[in-house]
Amino acid sequence: AQSVTQLDSQVPVFEEAPVELRCNYSSSVSVYLFWYVQYPNQGLQLLLKYLSGSTLVKGINGFEAEFNKSQTSFHLRKPSVHISDTAEYFCAVSGNNAGNMLTFGGGTRLMVKP
Amino acid sequence: NAGVTQTPKFRVLKTGQSMTLLCAQDMNHEYMYWYRQDPGMGLRLIHYSVGEGTTAKGEVPDGYNVSRLKKQNFLLGLESAAPSQTSVYFCASSYGLGGPSFGPGTRLTVL
Repeated sequence: AQSVTQLDSQVPVFEEAPVELRCNYSSSVSVYLFWYVQYPNQGLQLLLKYLSGSTLVKGINGFEAEFNKSQTSFHLRKPSVHISDTAEYFCAVSGNNAGNMLTFGGGTRLMVKP
Repeated sequence: NAGVTQTPKFRVLKTGQSMTLLCAQDMNHEYMYWYRQDPGMGLRLIHYSVGEGTTAKGEVPDGYNVSRLKKQNFLLGLESAAPSQTSVYFCASSYGLGGPSFGPGTRLTVL
């Protein structure tokens, strides 16, 4: 079984400040890791993913994440946020299962203030 | 490409009524999924399909049924709706490990 914990349900931050959204996972097998973003009243959009290779993954909109196997973490970072980054962010994990189903964390609401 | 589409976008049901949510994808993806989203709980998998004619239970399957008669469509049925099924429902599809593409969602309210 696998699970995902997003440690912060809400993260307020001022515009142009850096931000880190935390994600920890547990799994007994090799994992693939994802971050999705959900803007109000919309579906989920893939930000970035880690499948293998370099542990630093770059995604869309200036976001990046680092896979840390020893700490079982996949934290999302952006060096300078914009008002338009206000959204809910979901971390997800997929193990070696038929169907490649994702298990999601509870989400982190990023609130960027002017 | 339209990607993943869902019908309807909104629906209000009374307790005990039935309905079917339709999901369609035009990307020739093998895998399809139904998730529900509730505040603070992220998305939870209801049912999924690894190919035409096959379905399997996810984390929260009770009260729902699914069918995948055609590769591009994945239907989610509620036989007797309950207030606990008030939620936002998302369909998704994928071809492999790359991470699924999601539809816009269906907001369902059961009174």
